[in-house]
Amino acid sequence: GAGVSQSPSNKVTEKGKDVELRCDPISGHTALYWYRQSLGQGLEFLIYFQGNSAPDKSGLPSDRFSAERTGGSVSTLTIQRTQQEDSAVYLCASSLQTGPNEKLFFGSGTQLSVL
Amino acid sequence: DQQVKQNSPSLSVQEGRISILNCDYTNSMFDYFLWYKKYPAEGPTFLISISSIKDKNEDGRFTVFLNKSAKHLSLHIVPSQPGDSAVYFCAASYNFNKFYFGSGTKLNVKP
Repeated sequence: GAGVSQSPSNKVTEKGKDVELRCDPISGHTALYWYRQSLGQGLEFLIYFQGNSAPDKSGLPSDRFSAERTGGSVSTLTIQRTQQEDSAVYLCASSLQTGPNEKLFFGSGTQLSVL
Repeated sequence: DQQVKQNSPSLSVQEGRISILNCDYTNSMFDYFLWYKKYPAEGPTFLISISSIKDKNEDGRFTVFLNKSAKHLSLHIVPSQPGDSAVYFCAASYNFNKFYFGSGTKLNVKP
């Protein structure tokens, strides 16, 4: 497809389980971002990948969260030992990183529910 | 520490009138700003952007104003339409790296 694709669209898990969320960015986009939106909250930055540079992990809320980007394309966000406060919509975005007129293209998100 | 703030969680406007959404930022290094619109169960979609070298950018019914000295930007929608009802996020970046988003303002345009 032409847009950012995220899977699954919905994920229900039990507290303590691990989950993996996947993001397929737009082909050719060098930058990839993960954000999350908790109920009634704004977009919280999690992690940012830019080309072959070391990722900016400054937004990850705990060491239970990790992300990787393989081959400069697909990214996986992993949450270990999920907690109820991890319940949120996890959004992935990609961009060309070309400077002026730069913009992020978002996927539809993964709704994560931790029971 | 939230670097981009949207202090109004909601706004209600009559169809045909002007909607004004506000956004404040704290980092004077930010040089590029964007507005996004989000419908329920969808990802945010880009609306309009502005570089810090400008103080106004217009695209159809949407105009973004930037006041660098006040570290404030606003989005004007004229005339407002019911289909504009959504959550609006402002975002800022420095040198086009790492975008910081506000908490959003939910706009309701009443028919």
